[in-house]
Formats: sequence, structure tokens, C-alpha cells
Amino acid sequence: AQSVTQLGSHVSVSEGALVLLRCNYSSSVPPYLFWYVQYPNQGLQLLLKYTSAATLVKGINGFEAEFKKSETSFHLTKPSAHMSDAAEYFCAVSDPQGAQKLVFGQGTRLTINP
Amino acid sequence: NAGVTQTPKFRILKIGQSMTLQCTQDMNHNYMYWYRQDPGMGLKLIYYSVGAGITDKGEVPNGYNVSRSTTEDFPLRLELAAPSQTSVYFCASTPVEGLGGYTFGSGTRLTVV
Repeated sequence: AQSVTQLGSHVSVSEGALVLLRCNYSSSVPPYLFWYVQYPNQGLQLLLKYTSAATLVKGINGFEAEFKKSETSFHLTKPSAHMSDAAEYFCAVSDPQGAQKLVFGQGTRLTINP
Repeated sequence: NAGVTQTPKFRILKIGQSMTLQCTQDMNHNYMYWYRQDPGMGLKLIYYSVGAGITDKGEVPNGYNVSRSTTEDFPLRLELAAPSQTSVYFCASTPVEGLGGYTFGSGTRLTVV
């Protein structure tokens, strides 16, 4: 069975600082990996995805993530945080052969301090 | 606007009541999903469908039912509401080749009292 662990339910950074949100996964097959963002009272929006092409994936709003098979990790980074980045972030894994069902991590709430 | 539409946005139910959460997409996506979101728990898959007439259970299906009579609609039915079903429910869809790039609805916030 596939699973996702997000380290840290809350992360707080200063505006302009590096954002690092951690995600580790478990999968018995080569996975597809995703980061989603959820702003208050909204649905989830796809930030970026890894589908076995380049291991460094760039997404929207300046975010990027690197797939590291040896570490089973897919951490999300942004060089300089902006106040508008405050939201909840979810890492997810899917089985490419499993009707594209996603298994989500528990989420990390990102707070940006002025 | 194209996308996934969920109704209602908010609902309060009494224990034992029934209701249907509606979900409609106009993107001709084959795959549709229902998730529930609870604080600190992420999203859990309730049911999913790979096409009209085909549905299957997800991780937490107990207390729910679904149907998929058309490509566009994927309603979720709660037959006997319980406090444990208090949650935010999200419907999502993706094309067969969508590689996990779901389009999510804006959610239904359900409270059972």
C-alpha cells in the first residue's frame, strides 16, 4: 500500500526566507508524486507533479520539488516566501496503474511572518 | 466556467437524516472521486468512478453510497447521518491521461448534530 508522510503539521517562516516543506512516500511501484495547495475555504489546486521525467520539477508561484528515489522524498521548496504563500500544502502519491487514485499526506500549514 | 461544481456549500444535518451531495463536471472527465477532509488527517478517499456505471470503494466508504449514471454527475449519498460524518467533502475529476492532475470542487462543509 502506498503512503505519504509530511514532516511538520505547521511551518512558519519569515517573508523572504526559504520555504522547505518535507514529504516522504512509500510505494511498491514507481510512483507519481504531487503537491497541492489549499487556500482557506477553497478546494485544492495542483502546484506541481512528478511523473517519471525530470527529477527536479518546477511548479506555479515559484515552487519546485525534487524527487529523490534513494531517500523516498519529494520535498517542496521556494527560495523566497511571500505573504500570499500562506496556505495548507498537501503531498500526494498515486499508483499509475490504480485509476489515478491519490493518497494524501496529512498536510502542512504554512504561515508567513512579516 | 468549466470545472467541478459541488452543491450545497454548507449543510447541517440531524443524526439519522439522509442527504445527497451533488457533484457535476463539464470537462468530459472519465475519472471522478469523493474525498473527505478532516483536520490534521489530510484527505481520505471515499468512493471513486472510472466511468459511467462503474464505481468502487475507497479507503473510508462506510456510511456512504454513490452512483454514476452519466459522465458528468457523481452524487454522494449519506443514508443515516452520524456525527462521525461531520467533515468537508471534496469531489474531484481527471481525464484518463490526467496523471493525477485532479480538478477539485470547492467543497461541501457538512455538520451532523
